[in-house]
Amino acid sequence: QVQLVQSGAEVKKPGASLRVSCKASGYTFTSFYIHWVRQAPGQGLEWMGVIDPRRGATTYAHNFQGKFTMTTDTSTTTVFLEVGSLGSDDTAVYYCARSDYLKYPDSWGQGTLVTVSS
Amino acid sequence: EIVMTQSPATLSVSLGERATLSCRASESVSSNLAWYQQKPGQPPRLLIYGASTRAAAFPARFSGSGSGTEFTLTISSLQSEDFAVYYCQQYNDWPLYTFGQGTKLEIK
Repeated sequence: QVQLVQSGAEVKKPGASLRVSCKASGYTFTSFYIHWVRQAPGQGLEWMGVIDPRRGATTYAHNFQGKFTMTTDTSTTTVFLEVGSLGSDDTAVYYCARSDYLKYPDSWGQGTLVTVSS
Repeated sequence: EIVMTQSPATLSVSLGERATLSCRASESVSSNLAWYQQKPGQPPRLLIYGASTRAAAFPARFSGSGSGTEFTLTISSLQSEDFAVYYCQQYNDWPLYTFGQGTKLEIK
């Protein structure tokens, strides 16, 4: 079955950088896109961006351009989200989710809690 | 960017009663609208896609309707496990997806 397994919770200091992983299994990795979604504590879902694992092409939401980078490693069927220069407002749960081209995300990772605190 | 607006922010409904949640898009998204259910501490679960097609894991008391800019999620007879936060998401503007801010469905 389709599984997206994310890396574990992280605690980081302001100004540090972070990498969250999302390992995919149970389907052809390069046939589906991976989205990243952020959820701050007590808040709603924010779509951050999407990567095409086959080509490595990325699109970011306006609010997530600059210090957010999505990459992929097809040899390990893993997608990564890198965040640079963390601030307290980056404290959130980060989810990865899979979708077909032009379609809705249908499977989600379990989420990775990132806490930024001095 | 297409802005999705959900109403109400919180909806209080009694067990066994009907719940109606709304989602409005700032421009037409055709039928490219999904609904997700999220419970505390869990990732969202796909509930409805194509505005009205129910995902297999959900019972028939859940239904979606609408097209263009106005959409509705209806739960016909609320069960205790249905109390959660519901989000709509447009996927018409590939690849720039956007979510609504969510409706919290709580027990009255």
